[in-house]
Amino acid sequence: LAKTTQPISMDSYEGQEVNITCSHNNIATNDYITWYQQFPSQGPRFIIQGYKTKVTNEVASLFIPADRKSSTLSLPRVSLSDTAVYYCLVGLRLNRDDKIIFGKGTRLHILP
Amino acid sequence: EAGVAQSPRYKIIEKRQSVAFWCNPISGHATLYWYQQILGQGPKLLIQFQNNGVVDDSQLPKDRFSAERLKGVDSTLKIQPAKLEDSAVYLCASSLGLGLKSTDTQYFGPGTRLTVL
Repeated sequence: LAKTTQPISMDSYEGQEVNITCSHNNIATNDYITWYQQFPSQGPRFIIQGYKTKVTNEVASLFIPADRKSSTLSLPRVSLSDTAVYYCLVGLRLNRDDKIIFGKGTRLHILP
Repeated sequence: EAGVAQSPRYKIIEKRQSVAFWCNPISGHATLYWYQQILGQGPKLLIQFQNNGVVDDSQLPKDRFSAERLKGVDSTLKIQPAKLEDSAVYLCASSLGLGLKSTDTQYFGPGTRLTVL
């Protein structure tokens, strides 16, 4: 799987837009980019997935530039309940040597 | 639609004891995953089943951990004997597809928090 790099932590305030960027320089042609959200004492939850350009759903938007070497998860008008860890996953498992790697994620802390 | 169920939610044991966790995936999901999540870290894949066959168990400490998925539905993960460093949350996830495509969304259960004293 393509290795990903995310900021370890971010702080923001309620009502702000938050953008979390994930770098994946060696993304392969067939790879999709998937983001998960994890609240304390819960398992990760799928947020959004995309391949190129922009994807939007009721929770977030995902921006992917043309070279696909990075992606940005955008959370509009965050609230305290958006405090969580956000994981970026990239990759296609072609064989057993490809590992599913969550990494440490980005710990987002929303302040009142 | 019911989500992934896990039990127990919490377990406290002493080192060298054994423990078992149970997972019931979403109905119809072919692939089941067990992850270990140590505090402050991301989930680490321990084993992945495709139906009732093992796809990947390369990160499973096989001298003490074992897992099975009988009939391709429920699964159990066992630790025997437990060590202090096994204290973690054990997450079960399932996906509709075979887990080989990056579009295969994983659905996670609430996890079992294990404390080894």
